[in-house]
Amino acid sequence: DVKVTQSSRYLVKRTGEKVFLECVQDMDHENMFWYRQDPGLGLRLIYFSYDVKMKEKGDIPEGYSVSREKKERFSLILESASTNQTSMYLCASSLGFLGELFFGEGSRLTVL
Amino acid sequence: DAKTTQPTSMDCAEGRAANLPCNHSTISGNEYVYWYRQIHSQGPQYIIHGLKNNETNEMASLIITEDRKSSTLILPHATLRDTAVYYCIVRAKSNDYKLSFGAGTTVTVRA
Repeated sequence: DVKVTQSSRYLVKRTGEKVFLECVQDMDHENMFWYRQDPGLGLRLIYFSYDVKMKEKGDIPEGYSVSREKKERFSLILESASTNQTSMYLCASSLGFLGELFFGEGSRLTVL
Repeated sequence: DAKTTQPTSMDCAEGRAANLPCNHSTISGNEYVYWYRQIHSQGPQYIIHGLKNNETNEMASLIITEDRKSSTLILPHATLRDTAVYYCIVRAKSNDYKLSFGAGTTVTVRA
């Protein structure tokens, strides 16, 4: 079975802190994604990557950056966390252009 | 732009079939219909997808109308563990990575 592992289930950070959210997948998938999920807004795509060192902006990239140095790892970075970035963050991976998405269990970030 | 429309919520009796509708009236010829579900406190899980023909797997069946403007996900024998939010998504090949999940349908299976 594909496994997508997110480093932390729950984080609490302070405004202005730099935050790293890590995601690792074990099935050699080319594509990896970061979403955030907020009540009433569904899942919104922040960034995705279709290859090592390649990245593309999603629908809401402002305030975020990403890093993909290795195929299995995709990191989401909040350079200076703000309270409006309090959310559930979901990482996903997929194989091929139309491959199904496999999601991690999510990281719930609270910014105080 | 909303590409799919789903009811906000629905209830289903345990052991009965659950029929989840989805409207996608602007779907293009090369767009697939995907269904995912999200159980509380977990990430979304893939269920099934289809293009034109009806599809069935161990989890569910997908019925797509002939004009492809709507579809129905069928959970044949709903259990309490099927309580979840169900998302119907249309994937456009030209813009495939920007997969948008709307609010979905909250399905509650009752004993």
